[in-house]
Amino acid sequence: DGGITQSPKYLFRKEGQNVTLSCEQNLNHDAMYWYRQDPGQGLRLIYYSQIVNDFQKGDIAEGYSVSREKKESFPLTVTSAQKNPTAFYLCASSSYGLAGGETQYFGPGTRLLVL
Amino acid sequence: GESVGLHLPTLSVQEGDNSIINCAYSNSASDYFIWYKQESGKGPQFIIDIRSNMDKRQGQRVTVLLNKTVKHLSLQIAATQPGDSAVYFCAENIEGAQKLVFGQGTRLTINP
Repeated sequence: DGGITQSPKYLFRKEGQNVTLSCEQNLNHDAMYWYRQDPGQGLRLIYYSQIVNDFQKGDIAEGYSVSREKKESFPLTVTSAQKNPTAFYLCASSSYGLAGGETQYFGPGTRLLVL
Repeated sequence: GESVGLHLPTLSVQEGDNSIINCAYSNSASDYFIWYKQESGKGPQFIIDIRSNMDKRQGQRVTVLLNKTVKHLSLQIAATQPGDSAVYFCAENIEGAQKLVFGQGTRLTINP
């Protein structure tokens, strides 16, 4: 997991509730990413950020929001607009962002369940 | 390499044998490829990468082969061990697209 932490490990969401997943890295990486993983499937990109105070939507951004106020931190909020939030959420970071084809390193993940 | 469904391909090999995991990628503009290993309930771990100007790269017990003609990537694991049991993903970086595209993964099981 190498310097990327995610919390909590498990998170329960009630109907209509917004929840925030934490991602912190101490690798001094510029770029950070959020992915969603559903059972038996690959990773789908939610949002990414290549620099502080800037971020872009990925393939499945609807119902999610992010912020990047610090280089080390990239929290993901799952809003009430996300109707099917149950999944395994993975945060990743890389040195230069994908323009240079740099490897992404992943955190341990947060499993979100709906009550 | 796009995710195509809920049924994860599986591969079972005997401990000590070599295994080969395959991945077909979709975009001829892809210029960088990564193999990840994901154990149950954990985040993916980097195994090995290769750039499009190479056709082979070796690591410790692992070799990645890239065939750009047929858009095919493979991961060879030598002398498999029980700890190699996991889901293995390939990922491609499409030049200019600024994102990685992940395959759906292959579940490798090592039998004692």
